[in-house]
Amino acid sequence: EAQVTQNPRYLITVTGKKLTVTCSQNMNHEYMSWYRQDPGLGLRQIYYSMNVEVTDKGDVPEGYKVSRKEKRNFPLILESPSPNQTSLYFCASSSYAGNTEAFFGQGTRLTVV
Amino acid sequence: QKEVEQDPGPLSVPEGAIVSLNCTYSNSAFQYFMWYRQYSRKGPELLMYTYSSGNKEDGRFTAQVDKSSKYISLFIRDSQPSDSATYLCAPASGGSYIPTFGRGTSLIVHP
Repeated sequence: EAQVTQNPRYLITVTGKKLTVTCSQNMNHEYMSWYRQDPGLGLRQIYYSMNVEVTDKGDVPEGYKVSRKEKRNFPLILESPSPNQTSLYFCASSSYAGNTEAFFGQGTRLTVV
Repeated sequence: QKEVEQDPGPLSVPEGAIVSLNCTYSNSAFQYFMWYRQYSRKGPELLMYTYSSGNKEDGRFTAQVDKSSKYISLFIRDSQPSDSATYLCAPASGGSYIPTFGRGTSLIVHP
């Protein structure tokens, strides 16, 4: 089954404690991205990756890091989380051979206290 | 001005009603127009995809794009309680295919 898998689904952490949210896709997609979704603000892109070892900033990259060492994985790293990073996070992947459908993971609800 | 504007709602309608959901955008480079549906506690899923101006119909759903006025619409006929979700419009340019998402409109269809 084609899918994008995020882990964990729920996470409560404390300010300053480094964390990683993993994202894996099994569709051999070139393009992957991370979004955060906040009430009233919709989906905002954090980082995206066009292919292995190619990453770029989205609209709200501050406080986040990503890496793309393998095609299937695109982890999101929060080196020093702060309460304003409390949000719902989505990973998405797509292939751009004329295919415009983005497949989303189930989401990670992060709370930073 | 945001690149993609969408009224967040909520829009509440009775079962069986015709629903009209709308977006405006500012980027003339957008050529692909997607609608995603997001149920509570789930990731968005592609509902409809249209290339350039015109209409596209899929069952009870019709997507309409007017590039001259930069206006995107999604119509739902005979709406059902199972249509209750947030609908996000997401246009993309032909170069990157990377969608720009609107804030989403929350739709509630009550029995």
